[in-house]
Amino acid sequence: EAQVTQNPRYLITVTGKKLTVTCSQNMNHEYMSWYRQDPGLGLRQIYYSMNVEVTDKGDVPEGYKVSRKEKRNFPLILESPSPNQTSLYFCASSSSSNSPLHFGNGTRLTVT
Amino acid sequence: GEDVEQSLFLSVREGDSSVINCTYTDSSSTYLYWYKQEPGAGLQLLTYIFSNMDMKQDQRLTVLLNKKDKHLSLRIADTQTGDSAIYFCAVHHTGGFKTIFGAGTRLFVKA
Repeated sequence: EAQVTQNPRYLITVTGKKLTVTCSQNMNHEYMSWYRQDPGLGLRQIYYSMNVEVTDKGDVPEGYKVSRKEKRNFPLILESPSPNQTSLYFCASSSSSNSPLHFGNGTRLTVT
Repeated sequence: GEDVEQSLFLSVREGDSSVINCTYTDSSSTYLYWYKQEPGAGLQLLTYIFSNMDMKQDQRLTVLLNKKDKHLSLRIADTQTGDSAIYFCAVHHTGGFKTIFGAGTRLFVKA
């Protein structure tokens, strides 16, 4: 089944403790992206990747890192999480930057 | 930059039509999408329209695009309780690397 898989689904952590949210897609998509969803703000893009080893900042990249060492994986790294990064995070992929996005089921992160 | 706006809530009775509206600012927007988000799930593509089209119909869904007013709407005919969800309008520019989302409209369907 074609899908985007994120892990974990839920994560509660403390300020400053490094964490990684994994994202994997099995559709051989070149384009991958991370969004955060906050009430009343919709989805805001954090980072995106056009292909392996090609990444760029979205609208809200501060406090996040990404890497794209393999085509299928696009992890989101929070080196020193802060409470304002408490949010619902979505990974998405598409066959090209102009194609509709396929979303994972989301990771709900709480930073205390 | 691009700004996409939607009203936050809509309540309809089962069997009625729902119309969800969206406005955007950049006239060079080329791909315009509607996504649906059910509780606890990611967003799923419902339908989309290219900017060279005025209307697209897909079963119970009708998308209307008014390029002059930069207004996009999604009409759901014979709305069912299973249509209760958050609906996101999203726009994308050809050759760009971003899809810009509205804040989402939460549709409540009363039985």
